[in-house]
Amino acid sequence: EAGVTQFPSHSVIEKGQTVTLRCDPISGHDNLYWYRRVMGKEIKFLLHFVKESKQDESGMPNNRFLAERTGGTYSTLKVQPAELEDSGVYFCASSRIPHEVAGTDTQYFGPGTRLTVL
Amino acid sequence: ILNVEQSPQSLHVQEGDSTNFTCSFPSSNFYALHWYRWETAKSPEALFVMTLNGDEKKKGRISATLNTKEGYSYLYIKGSQPEDSATYLCAFRRRADSWGKLQFGAGTQVVVTP
Repeated sequence: EAGVTQFPSHSVIEKGQTVTLRCDPISGHDNLYWYRRVMGKEIKFLLHFVKESKQDESGMPNNRFLAERTGGTYSTLKVQPAELEDSGVYFCASSRIPHEVAGTDTQYFGPGTRLTVL
Repeated sequence: ILNVEQSPQSLHVQEGDSTNFTCSFPSSNFYALHWYRWETAKSPEALFVMTLNGDEKKKGRISATLNTKEGYSYLYIKGSQPEDSATYLCAFRRRADSWGKLQFGAGTQVVVTP
C-alpha cells in the first residue's frame, strides 16, 4: 500500500508569487489533514477534510491560504501571494477511521513539502 | 499546562544504553496521545496511539507509558542503536477536537553514537 505522497518535495519562490502544494492520501482514507512546521518550531495544524468537505480550518493563518479537495481524493494547498513567513515544511496526513467511530485513528504523514519564500 | 511540552529538547546516547524522555500535555479534556518518530526529509512514522490512563505500548525496543491524570507520557528506548537517531514527536488530541486535530510538541532529538 502506497503511503501519503506530496509534491513537490521542495519549492523556492519569491515573495508575492503563488505556489500550489499537492497531497495524495492513502487510498481509501477519507480524512486528510494539512500541518505546517515553521522555523524549527512545533508542527501546527492547518485544516482537516472529511472527503471533500472542510471539517475544521481553524489553523489556516489567513486568506492567502486556500485548500481544496475536489472529489475527495487528492488535495491542494495554494498560497497566494506568498510571504516570507510562509516558509516552512508543509505536511499532509491521512487517516481512515471515521471520527464517529474512533477518535484514536493513526494519522499517516507524508514527507512534507519544504517551501522557501525569498 | 496549556501546550504540549517535550523534554529534553535533545539528548546524546551511547550505543547500547537505554534512555527515556517526557511529553507533558494538558490533563483536562484528554482524548489521545500520539507518538511519532521523525527523520528529517522523511515522513514522520507513527509509533503509538495511547488513550487510556496507565496504557503501556511497546514496539520492538521502544515503549511508552501514559498518565492522563497528571498529564505526561514517557517514551523509552532500550539498548539504543544508531538507527534510533531521530526526532521523537508527541501529539495531543483534545476531547473537543475529536475531529482529529493534533497539537504537537517541539520534539526530542535523539542522537545515538557508536
